[in-house]
Amino acid sequence: QKEVEQDPGPLSVPEGAIVSLNCTYSNSAFQYFMWYRQYSRKGPELLMYTYSSGNKEDGRFTAQVDKSSKYISLFIRDSQPSDSATYLCAMRWTGGFKTIFGAGTRLFVKA
Amino acid sequence: GAGVSQSPSNKVTEKGKDVELRCDPISGHTALYWYRQSLGQGLEFLIYFQGNSAPDKSGLPSDRFSAERTGGSVSTLTIQRTQQEDSAVYLCASSLPRVGGGRAGNEQYFGPGTRLTVT
Repeated sequence: QKEVEQDPGPLSVPEGAIVSLNCTYSNSAFQYFMWYRQYSRKGPELLMYTYSSGNKEDGRFTAQVDKSSKYISLFIRDSQPSDSATYLCAMRWTGGFKTIFGAGTRLFVKA
Repeated sequence: GAGVSQSPSNKVTEKGKDVELRCDPISGHTALYWYRQSLGQGLEFLIYFQGNSAPDKSGLPSDRFSAERTGGSVSTLTIQRTQQEDSAVYLCASSLPRVGGGRAGNEQYFGPGTRLTVT
């Protein structure tokens, strides 16, 4: 079993839809949770970062962490074609440097 | 400012040949990571450098893989006697020293990657 599980998709939605992306994990020591966005032929870039449980909102993006369920989510409101990319969840434990990435979910937002 | 750069952007090599991949991190970033990204597999951690500390090589898949970082800046990932299963995108990332738990301590800046194809 992988430490971090993420459905690779692809996920196709119409423009304006609310998108929900999710990851589950097995290591309860993870404390830092991140979402990276990767456009085709580019390196990933950090989109959202959360410490421990709770929600964080940034514009159209909301990150949620439920440590009791070992489940994290990224919500995208009013999705745009420019949101079409691969979204990777990532996490690490306190004091550790190694970041464990999910496989990434490919998202397509149709105009 | 300049981001992380990697070269070459694409590399096609024959099975059994050695290859060198280069990474130029962001100036002032003391932490440097190498990852491998295969289709549908996410980012696989390979090696981590932090300042003058001994690198963490725990992710290197075999002894054919090695990496060095000269002068705390440029890094080279070397794959000897390449195999077809080595075909992947090799990504380099750099970051600031991990101070506290803020965004700065967690954000890795990635280069565009080197797409390696072993024929």
